[in-house]
Amino acid sequence: DTAVSQTPKYLVTQMGNDKSIKCEQNLGHDTMYWYKQDSKKFLKIMFSYNNKELIINETVPNRFSPKSPDKAHLNLHINSLELGDSAVYFCASSQDGTGSPYNEQFFGPGTRLTVL
Amino acid sequence: AQSVTQLDSQVPVFEEAPVELRCNYSSSVSVYLFWYVQYPNQGLQLLLKYLSGSTLVESINGFEAEFNKSQTSFHLRKPSVHISDTAEYFCAVSSLYNTDKLIFGTGTRLQVFP
Repeated sequence: DTAVSQTPKYLVTQMGNDKSIKCEQNLGHDTMYWYKQDSKKFLKIMFSYNNKELIINETVPNRFSPKSPDKAHLNLHINSLELGDSAVYFCASSQDGTGSPYNEQFFGPGTRLTVL
Repeated sequence: AQSVTQLDSQVPVFEEAPVELRCNYSSSVSVYLFWYVQYPNQGLQLLLKYLSGSTLVESINGFEAEFNKSQTSFHLRKPSVHISDTAEYFCAVSSLYNTDKLIFGTGTRLQVFP
């Protein structure tokens, strides 16, 4: 009964490929997020979606495109992968998009992407 | 814009010793403050948070943190650590006007030795 799950856990691929990371939450939350953690462990938000609507869109290359088929899923597609995309990507969710700090963000276990 | 500084990348400590993990933030507006813990091969879990009211907040497993506005700090402390506390600890901040956007520090690796 994992709350926030991500697949795959590890992803190794060649430069130039296109890949996707899937995220699913079974908490009934309305808001989902993608974070990137680089090799120095710096964790930064990339996107957030509330009820399938894009809310936060940080300055990331347009090779990264989030897709939310429904409010329980937020997938991350990455086109033309580059060496610098190697990182751990975390998905998270919170109850609603009111912006209340009482809405704790629940994180998935992460996907380690390695671009060769 | 907000930023978070965790000066110690690693903190080694013996079991049952006290520990303090430092966190300083910078912001031009009022903020909410958080500590997250990441155990090996797991996602981040919220440990405790300061939103308003008492400046001293506690977690269920014995950690506490104190919000100090004048020093812009939110240090995490535990009087006696256990082996099981070994993990990565992240301090985070969000502004009152954009609470969905968490800004994280670079983390502190707490290593507890027997």
